[in-house]
Amino acid sequence: GQQVMQIPQYQHVQEGEDFTTYCNSSTTLSNIQWYKQRPGGHPVFLIQLVKSGEVKKQKRLTFQFGEAKKNSSLHITATQTTDVGTYFCAGITGNQFYFGTGTSLTVIP
Amino acid sequence: NAGVTQTPKFQVLKTGQSMTLQCAQDMNHNSMYWYRQDPGMGLRLIYYSASEGTTDKGEVPNGYNVSRLNKREFSLRLESAAPSQTSVYFCASSEWLASGNTIYFGEGSWLTVV
Repeated sequence: GQQVMQIPQYQHVQEGEDFTTYCNSSTTLSNIQWYKQRPGGHPVFLIQLVKSGEVKKQKRLTFQFGEAKKNSSLHITATQTTDVGTYFCAGITGNQFYFGTGTSLTVIP
Repeated sequence: NAGVTQTPKFQVLKTGQSMTLQCAQDMNHNSMYWYRQDPGMGLRLIYYSASEGTTDKGEVPNGYNVSRLNKREFSLRLESAAPSQTSVYFCASSEWLASGNTIYFGEGSWLTVV
């Protein structure tokens, strides 16, 4: 069945360092979305990537969708304490969302 | 516009007790979902409802039942709670559009089974 793997599971960085989380699907995806969940909160939509090789930026966040539409990455430049939380990718195939296992980011001031 | 509302927010159950988690959305979405979240496991789909009147099993349906009462409401029932069902439960809804779709989550229900 459909699987979406995400690495790393946990990441601790010093404030100001960069952070990257990777998402890999066992099958080709229609599109991919990224969500952020603050500690104690619920996942909130960040962005959707649709096209092969697509790159989108939101301030310090850069999202990429692989050429084969089977992998994606989220890169945060110069992390801040407000970036703390768990980042999930969600692969979409048909009418199904397949969530990755998430990467929990801790930012040390 | 409240989005997705789920109740209760916190619940402690004894093993064998039953309970229903309620969920309602006011965005006129066709699709609704129940997920559970456990440490290191991400979000796992329990059941979903693609449209009013239909429900389908997700990845981890055992021990749960659902009811899509109408377009707005989608409830999750634990008939005989087990400690393995201790988790955070999220209800969500989405609409499928040609331009894309986004899933909106409720704030979560923290369930402990002792």
